[in-house]
Amino acid sequence: KNEVEQSPQNLTAQEGEFITINCSYSVGISALHWLQQHPGGGIVSLFMLSSGKKKHGRLIATINIQEKHSSLHITASHPRDSAVYICAVWASGSRLTFGEGTQLTVNP
Amino acid sequence: NAGVTQTPKFQVLKTGQSMTLQCAQDMNHEYMSWYRQDPGMGLRLIHYSVGAGITDQGEVPNGYNVSRSTTEDFPLRLLSAAPSQTSVYFCASSYRATGELFFGEGSRLTVL
Repeated sequence: KNEVEQSPQNLTAQEGEFITINCSYSVGISALHWLQQHPGGGIVSLFMLSSGKKKHGRLIATINIQEKHSSLHITASHPRDSAVYICAVWASGSRLTFGEGTQLTVNP
Repeated sequence: NAGVTQTPKFQVLKTGQSMTLQCAQDMNHEYMSWYRQDPGMGLRLIHYSVGAGITDQGEVPNGYNVSRSTTEDFPLRLLSAAPSQTSVYFCASSYRATGELFFGEGSRLTVL
């Protein structure tokens, strides 16, 4: 079992829908990242969380340390949100462990 | 700021050839790392460094070599390329371990 599990693996939505991507991890962590990767593109850090909730525009990230779970929400989704969203955790030492990613497609 | 710069963006090698992927950052970050991304596998850590002169192995270090002689640069060397090293490689840096991450644009390597 991977240390970081994301769900769903694939998600298709209609423009305007509210989207939730989940990340569960099995180890103690010091921080969690949500990353975005567009097709053929580089990787951008959306959020880094160690507790609570963060918001940036239409994106909201939450983390529950006790339950070892984080969610990424996208409100009023848009086709330009189509990308792979990756959860990653700083666990032991200086190593970052990644989930396999969630492929999001938002149709107009 | 240029951020994290990776070169080359594309490279084709023959089995047994050697090459170096370059990574440079101008943000004075202590932490630098290399990852490979393969379909269905997600990103996996190859090597990392917490400061100049300090490197350590990640999850998949075999076949790769690194050094960190300066804070700015963290090259990844393939000593004898194998088809299994065909992948997309990303370099990333952060101010400190567990800090906010900045990624390079990636290097697509094909080994024939």
